[in-house]
Amino acid sequence: GAVVSQHPSWVICKSGTSVKIECRSLDFQATTMFWYRQFPKQSLMLMATSNEGSKATYEQGVEKDKFLINHASLTLSTLTVTSAHPEDSSFYICSAGPTQEPQHFGDGTRLSIL
Amino acid sequence: GNSVTQMEGPVTLSEEAFLTINCTYTATGYPSLFWYVQYPGEGLQLLLKATKADDKGSNKGFEATYRKETTSFHLEKGSVQVSDSAVYFCVLGGYSTLTFGKGTMLLVSP
Repeated sequence: GAVVSQHPSWVICKSGTSVKIECRSLDFQATTMFWYRQFPKQSLMLMATSNEGSKATYEQGVEKDKFLINHASLTLSTLTVTSAHPEDSSFYICSAGPTQEPQHFGDGTRLSIL
Repeated sequence: GNSVTQMEGPVTLSEEAFLTINCTYTATGYPSLFWYVQYPGEGLQLLLKATKADDKGSNKGFEATYRKETTSFHLEKGSVQVSDSAVYFCVLGGYSTLTFGKGTMLLVSP
């Protein structure tokens, strides 16, 4: 079945560092991918919709310059957390899906900023 | 707009007990309904789905029926196992835009 791979699974870094998270669709092409943020014991919050070959669409309240999204190919979207600070620590999850199939989620990236 | 309401957890059960996690929704149109499961430290996995009224989704002993008259999609399992301990999300929407419930944690003890 459709598989979405997310990398890395865990990142610990110093405040001020930029961190890149990759989301790949392994056996299908995805013109659209989604990035979510999940706080402990809470549901997923949609951050942005990543569109292949065009600008991402950000949800209200999400800083475009803080969370840079690039979707340069039909199988890869990246989320870069720029100049990360402790308040950016969270669990980030991407999703994608073949046409007419439900979304498949990556395993998530736990980001810890010291 | 669309919304999903799930029962709050945690739901604590003994192994082999019967499970029900309630889910109701409000929506325009005729959305699909899904249950996703999240194990600790992992992403979400699709558990089951239903695409139209009266459809029953089932997988791994879990099942849920799309009830349009009661706008519900309750998750049930006849006999839970310790390995079923996870967070369960009721999700509404098409195949791209999704509306999530808040999630219900299930804890199953031996």
